Amino acid sequence: AQKVTQAQTEISVVEKEDVTLDCVYETRDTTYYLFWYKQPPSGELVFLIRRNSFDEQNEISGRYSWNFQKSTSSFNFTITASQVVDSAVYFCALKGPGGSEKLVFGKGTKLTVNP
Amino acid sequence: ETGVTQSPTHLIKTRGQQVTLRCSSQSGHNTVSWYQQALGQGPQFIFQYYREEENGRGNFPPRFSGLQFPNYSSELNVNALELDDSALYLCASSAGQIQYQETQYFGPGTRLLVL
Repeated sequence: AQKVTQAQTEISVVEKEDVTLDCVYETRDTTYYLFWYKQPPSGELVFLIRRNSFDEQNEISGRYSWNFQKSTSSFNFTITASQVVDSAVYFCALKGPGGSEKLVFGKGTKLTVNP
Repeated sequence: ETGVTQSPTHLIKTRGQQVTLRCSSQSGHNTVSWYQQALGQGPQFIFQYYREEENGRGNFPPRFSGLQFPNYSSELNVNALELDDSALYLCASSAGQIQYQETQYFGPGTRLLVL
């Protein structure tokens, strides 16, 4: 069975601090896909990144970076120099091989960035 | 914005009633997935439709049913509403079976309250 664990329920930081959101996953598939989504108070899930299991390169996009480590089944998300607009609930999700249907989500981490 | 639209945005029903939620997928996408997100939880997969056929179903009872139309828009129907059906219902569209195009893009959701 597939499972995603986001152990941090809530995180509160002060603007400009760096913050890392943890994600640990479980799967028996050798091919899989990992995602991060952002959910602001409006409710819409905003896609941030997709990572394939065969590509362990870390990725940086502006203030966002992702650290994928298959050895520890982790896919952590770091926001550098956080801003108030980063306040949201962040979800990590897992999907099986191509043609597989569903995304399996973690319970989310609520990030609050205070001015 | 993703181009995925949902209607209505909010809905209030009473226990035992039936409800229909609607979703228009992003242009070029032939797959629609539905998720239920209870308060404080991650989204849970309900089912997916690919080219008008159901392509996988989560752990939801048969009173949750769906349709996909030739233009790839979709409906989620819930019969005999229960109080626990109160949730945010999210629709996501994706390009289906095309490799590297399986990222699901979400709409703004429909908030359903069952009294």
